[in-house]
Amino acid sequence: DAGITQSPRHKVTETGTPVTLRCHQTENHRYMYWYRQDPGHGLRLIHYSYGVKDTDKGEVSDGYSVSRSKTEDFLLTLESATSSQTSVYFCATSSGGAPDTQYFGPGTRLTVL
Amino acid sequence: LAKTTQPISMDSYEGQEVNITCSHNNIATNDYITWYQQFPSQGPRFIIQGYKTKVTNEVASLFIPADRKSSTLSLPRVSLSDTAVYYCLVDRGGGTASKLTFGTGTRLQVTL
Repeated sequence: DAGITQSPRHKVTETGTPVTLRCHQTENHRYMYWYRQDPGHGLRLIHYSYGVKDTDKGEVSDGYSVSRSKTEDFLLTLESATSSQTSVYFCATSSGGAPDTQYFGPGTRLTVL
Repeated sequence: LAKTTQPISMDSYEGQEVNITCSHNNIATNDYITWYQQFPSQGPRFIIQGYKTKVTNEVASLFIPADRKSSTLSLPRVSLSDTAVYYCLVDRGGGTASKLTFGTGTRLQVTL
């Protein structure tokens, strides 16, 4: 498996607090992605990055921001967590080749009380 | 990117061959077909990818007819450990993964 780690793996927080999730890769992949997965919705793209400091919105970006200051790290921030952001968050990377393959991290289970 | 349609769920007994068909009527010339597998509490993982005809690896086979409007993932002699969600995706690489829609996949339940 590609070297993708996520931290923390589990987090419980309260409504209104800021939360930052970290994704770290050792594959030197150009592209990085943040998804959330909820029952009945499958995987939905929140934000993605196509290079250092280059990011763009995905399908469900409201309430989230991202940053990528180094190739290996992609941070997802919930500015002010809400209960609707309780979910499992997955980071993924890909090289951007053709064909391409995404490699996923182990996930972070976030609970907002 | 072409949207895909696959069954919501399938059931199988251990030892049987399972075939999951995915339709992608609007697939483009440069598109590839990729299948991912997701176990509970884990991220999806790549299992197989193809462009046309047949591809086989140690995990599965992928059959793609000449018109490429559908594809079939074949899992030989499934075991309980093959219980998972399987996603069919069509993309052309080059950074277009951000346009992918994973959907809810096909939930395969294998029992004794």
